[in-house]
Amino acid sequence: QVVLTQSPSASASLGASVKLTCTLSSGHSTYGIAWHQQQPEKAPRYLMKVNSDGSLNKGDGIPDRFSGSSSGTERYLTISSLQSDDEADYYCQAWGALVVFGGGTKLTVL
Amino acid sequence: QVQLVQSGAEVKKPGASVKVSCKASGYTFTSYGISWVRQAPGQGLEWMGWISAYNGNTNYAQKLQGRVTMTTDTSTSTAYMELRSLRSDDTAVYYCARSKNYFDYWGQGTLVTVSS
Repeated sequence: QVVLTQSPSASASLGASVKLTCTLSSGHSTYGIAWHQQQPEKAPRYLMKVNSDGSLNKGDGIPDRFSGSSSGTERYLTISSLQSDDEADYYCQAWGALVVFGGGTKLTVL
Repeated sequence: QVQLVQSGAEVKKPGASVKVSCKASGYTFTSYGISWVRQAPGQGLEWMGWISAYNGNTNYAQKLQGRVTMTTDTSTSTAYMELRSLRSDDTAVYYCARSKNYFDYWGQGTLVTVSS
């Protein structure tokens, strides 16, 4: 069973960039993951799927400021030109026999 | 455009059951599955299970086995999630999401409060 690990919190300044990490448990380096954004008091929103080869499948209407990448067992979400409404919880999700979520990273925009 | 519209908030007593609906539009309902995810107050996302809208096959999270049933009505493009023997720790916002593997569209959420 794959386990996803995320840092509980991250912060960056308005207009800057931030890179969030989702780490897959050992032995699961071929897994793709999906990133979801959850703004306060809102439903999650799908951002993109990041495959192990770094290829992406972005959701409808997701700005180019959001990008993804991959290295080994790590999957990344990079947000550039940070805006105030990027302040949100970001979850990664993997799937196999079951679906698992990471614990989420709370992003604060300073 | 793809939309998943869920039923309204519910308040239930411990031991009761709740059934939440999720009406899909904007795509061929039977081409995707529907997953259910819940989020307790202040907590992260918890996957509850999945149903194929094509053939009704299900896959439930082990901790909910025996208490949860997921169904679909293809005539109305609606998915349902029923949770029985409710406890206070079932208080959460319940979401449906369109899924093949990953979830690309989410419903707006349904708050279920379990309280005596």
